[in-house]
Amino acid sequence: QQPVQSPQAVILREGEDAVINCSSSKALYSVHWYRQKHGEAPVFLMILLKGGEQKGHDKISASFNEKKQQSSLYLTASQLSYSGTYFCGTGGGADGLTFGKGTHLIIQP
Amino acid sequence: EPEVTQTPSHQVTQMGQEVILRCVPISNHLYFYWYRQILGQKVEFLVSFYNNEISEKSEIFDDQFSVERPDGSNFTLKIRSTKLEDSAMYFCASSGDRPYNEQFFGPGTRLTVL
Repeated sequence: QQPVQSPQAVILREGEDAVINCSSSKALYSVHWYRQKHGEAPVFLMILLKGGEQKGHDKISASFNEKKQQSSLYLTASQLSYSGTYFCGTGGGADGLTFGKGTHLIIQP
Repeated sequence: EPEVTQTPSHQVTQMGQEVILRCVPISNHLYFYWYRQILGQKVEFLVSFYNNEISEKSEIFDDQFSVERPDGSNFTLKIRSTKLEDSAMYFCASSGDRPYNEQFFGPGTRLTVL
């Protein structure tokens, strides 16, 4: 079952903040966040594990609510380079990741 | 910084032909994956590989697909008889020595089936 992301698309001005949400209908052990620019491979941003462990880039923050099976990615003071499609993925380890449909983020100057 | 590499970057083939997509994962990684992305759509999991065997495969990964790690460095995806709907970007990814580490994606191979 794929995770559900919202919103589908966001348009921001440079410097504004955004929140991207990811929810699952089944219990989660981990949530993975990736950003993909057009024509490129997905790039790892953040992994959040049950129990509170997190690993990722310093300028990216995220939360993981295990009870609600939800995660949110927080992009603050957005820069032009933040533009792209953001995917959350569930699973991992030996199981591979199941990705959501993605959130398209456009940052305008 | 170590990275996952994939060859070729673009492969064009005729329907019914066999293709082999090649990947060199990051050298000390133990978990290997293939994903595909049809143009404009999300990234879809195909198969994971650990300890020299398939760990999990999706329903997309049918009998036409196979994976191999023929030596200590390469990881290949073979499509035995390509169909038009196999046209997609195929990404290889690898992950370190613990489950639930981040996965590092290669640049992808664009497969076009005519």
